[in-house]
Amino acid sequence: SQKIEQNSEALNIQEGKTATLTCNYTNYSPAYLQWYRQDPGRGPVFLLLIRENEKEKRKERLKVTFDTTLKQSLFHITASQPADSATYLCALDRGYGNKLVFGAGTILRVKS
Amino acid sequence: DAGVIQSPRHEVTEMGQEVTLRCKPISGHNSLFWYRQTMMRGLELLIYFNNNVPIDDSGMPEDRFSAKMPNASFSTLKIQPSEPRDSAVYFCASSLRLAESDTQYFGPGTRLTVL
Repeated sequence: SQKIEQNSEALNIQEGKTATLTCNYTNYSPAYLQWYRQDPGRGPVFLLLIRENEKEKRKERLKVTFDTTLKQSLFHITASQPADSATYLCALDRGYGNKLVFGAGTILRVKS
Repeated sequence: DAGVIQSPRHEVTEMGQEVTLRCKPISGHNSLFWYRQTMMRGLELLIYFNNNVPIDDSGMPEDRFSAKMPNASFSTLKIQPSEPRDSAVYFCASSLRLAESDTQYFGPGTRLTVL
């Protein structure tokens, strides 16, 4: 069966450093991969989408890579700030109306 | 835009009682999703609708769960009878289904506690 793995432990980093979160998957062939942010007590919020034929996508301080050979996506936050502290979820998508499949999420804590 | 609206935000009930969760999607969106989130199982899709029609309900745990979407601006998720293991946060999300990938917009969730 399909499996999505994100960093199981919380990621603690110092303000100003680059945070790198990992999303690995097996038994799945997504056409797209999405990243969401979730704050405590709130619903997930969409951040970025990357297509299978794109290697990298950027948005302000965020960068996502997608390697379909390794079956892995990396999510980077550069110049991290305490306000970036949240849970980050990756979601796999075959597109064209197929449902999203979410990973368990990684907790990021940025300390000042 | 008000975003996806869910009610109630918190619900505490006793085992055996009926629970009804409500959702108003973003105006103009044609897909609606119900998710459940727990620490153990993460975010699980229960059911989703496209143009008010249920497309995939394979995530609905059992017959005690039912969902309806009588029109484009309203959906309900009902649990009858409720059990303690149903305690979770239930999210509703909506999207404008395009030919490619759906970006989903989530509501604030309903925290359900079944005693």
